[in-house]
Amino acid sequence: DQQVKQNSPSLSVQEGRISILNCDYTNSMFDYFLWYKKYPAEGPTFLISISSIKDKNEDGRFTVFLNKSAKHLSLHIVPSQPGDSAVYFCAASGLGGSNYKLTFGKGTLLTVNP
Amino acid sequence: DSGVTQTPKHLITATGQRVTLRCSPRSGDLSVYWYQQSLDQGLQFLIQYYNGEERAKGNILERFSAQQFPDLHSELNLSSLELGDSALYFCASSVGLAGMGEQFFGPGTRLTVL
Repeated sequence: DQQVKQNSPSLSVQEGRISILNCDYTNSMFDYFLWYKKYPAEGPTFLISISSIKDKNEDGRFTVFLNKSAKHLSLHIVPSQPGDSAVYFCAASGLGGSNYKLTFGKGTLLTVNP
Repeated sequence: DSGVTQTPKHLITATGQRVTLRCSPRSGDLSVYWYQQSLDQGLQFLIQYYNGEERAKGNILERFSAQQFPDLHSELNLSSLELGDSALYFCASSVGLAGMGEQFFGPGTRLTVL
């Protein structure tokens, strides 16, 4: 049972335009959400996060929006650059038993075309 | 460079064999996490150790085991290997116990079982 879903396996956008990556979750115990970026042959690297007490967090070109009632979050990249081309993973964290652990989605491959 | 090191980078072995993957966390990080990434799956959480003790378990098979040593490095042991165990195995580390906040990922070990 996939608790974190990224329904778009891939997304292609033009350089300079906005990239919007979406993520849905089913577990209402999740209270912290993260986005990771992964280049080929490298491990995932942390991009941005948001706590469930917020609905928006911004860091430079990257903004994450959280809609708790819809159990949906999205990552906006503006403007998109060719170097942003990578796989983006959405992850959620919540109390499972007495410990927190991260649950990842399957990822979305973003391609930014020059 | 995340500061997390994993060895070896690549491992090719046969079915039925046993292998050990090694991870050194970032300096100062007490938590170590192991993840498996198969071809059609996202990152699957396997197990977490904190300061030498097992703290959380995910979808880890009984044929797999892990430990964290006093110097905080960790090893993931995979035995009675099957073709389906072929995957990328990532180690991550974080300062504290919780899954909230950033985890720093190593470059991964690619395991191929023939």
